[in-house]
Amino acid sequence: KQEVTQIPAALSVPEGENLVLNCSFTDSAIYNLQWFRQDPGKGLTSLLLIQSSQREQTSGRLNASLDKSSGRSTLYIAASQPGDSATYLCAVQGGSEKLVFGKGMKLTVNP
Amino acid sequence: NAGVTQTPKFRILKIGQSMTLQCTQDMNHNYMYWYRQDPGMGLKLIYYSVGAGITDKGEVPNGYNVSRSTTEDFPLRLELAAPSQTSVYFCASSSGGPINQPQHFGDGTRLSIL
Repeated sequence: KQEVTQIPAALSVPEGENLVLNCSFTDSAIYNLQWFRQDPGKGLTSLLLIQSSQREQTSGRLNASLDKSSGRSTLYIAASQPGDSATYLCAVQGGSEKLVFGKGMKLTVNP
Repeated sequence: NAGVTQTPKFRILKIGQSMTLQCTQDMNHNYMYWYRQDPGMGLKLIYYSVGAGITDKGEVPNGYNVSRSTTEDFPLRLELAAPSQTSVYFCASSSGGPINQPQHFGDGTRLSIL
């Protein structure tokens, strides 16, 4: 059974730092990995989707990498801003229509 | 373009009552999903649909039912509400299945069973 882990559960940093968020998964047979952002009281917003054949994806200040063989993904946030404060979730999709989510990491960027 | 719309946003039910959570999308997506999110936990899939008239169980389907009579709508039914169903429910949709396409989420329905 696929399990997705995000450690730490919470992170508080000063504005301007470059951040690395970690995600690990137990079964490397995945089709893709997705990173989502969730603001309080809101739904999830898809940030980046990495296909299993890809190594990384970039969008603005965000860069996500995927290492299937080691079961790891990282989300890199450059020059963090208070507006980046949110909960970040990663999810993997294996051989079915189902995404398996991690529990998320709550990020606070302090001005 | 509203995306995925969920109603109601909040609801309190008594044990044993029933209700339907509504979800509609205006993106002509074939795939739709229902998740629940408990505090401090990731999302768990309840049911999903790959097109009108087709539904299938997810990881935690017990106590819920769904139907998909149109492409736009995917309601979730709770028949006999139990305290264990207190959660935040999210509906999502995607265009071509999750293999290549990201899912778009609604803002959720916060449900309390007392």
